Amino acid sequence: ETGVTQTPRHLVMGMTNKKSLKCEQHLGHNAMYWYKQSAKKPLELMFVYNFKEQTENNSVPSRFSPECPNSSHLFLHLHTLQPEDSALYLCASSQDFGGGFAGANVLTFGAGSRLTVL
Amino acid sequence: DQQVKQNSPSLSVQEGRISILNCDYTNSMFDYFLWYKKYPAEGPTFLISISSIKDKNEDGRFTVFLNKSAKHLSLHIVPSQPGDSAVYFCAASAPSWGNLIFGKGTKLSVKP
Repeated sequence: ETGVTQTPRHLVMGMTNKKSLKCEQHLGHNAMYWYKQSAKKPLELMFVYNFKEQTENNSVPSRFSPECPNSSHLFLHLHTLQPEDSALYLCASSQDFGGGFAGANVLTFGAGSRLTVL
Repeated sequence: DQQVKQNSPSLSVQEGRISILNCDYTNSMFDYFLWYKKYPAEGPTFLISISSIKDKNEDGRFTVFLNKSAKHLSLHIVPSQPGDSAVYFCAASAPSWGNLIFGKGTKLSVKP
């Protein structure tokens, strides 16, 4: 496998469910990201992990809980979500984060997990 | 307030002609700009970038122009091909920021 892989590709859940999104990168990158894409809105950064340490939490509600067990894997744990959380959740990775070399921040995205909250 | 704006949600162009996608930004700290392309059911893929020390960067059919005084950049695709039909996102970053700020995207349709 190469690149950034996200599972599941589609997820439907009720507001009381607990589910997780998984992301895996095979690029040897040091930084991993969760983005949210809602209809007619820009891509919104949610979380950033650099060398497994969380460096950004962009005022995301606590019903979204990230986990980065190692530099190749990233999870987004979901619980008691709201219908307005329905969106495409994109995982991305980059060689470095804020390393002073702008090109290091070129992101490689996964295909996304389409989440529908009923 | 949006720091990166793509004011045209969609653009339709005839095959073989030039496609011009525009992007405006407000933060003068931005020093690196990128374009991403997204097909349905796929994640965005990096297309081309430009540093603020340049005003033009070319890669095959794709050229990005940067006008710092106007805080404006544009992506030119020539000649346009039906396979170029996708959503194009403009993104920007600032020194030591690490994360990218994205625009809402412009959907390009290239008609045969």
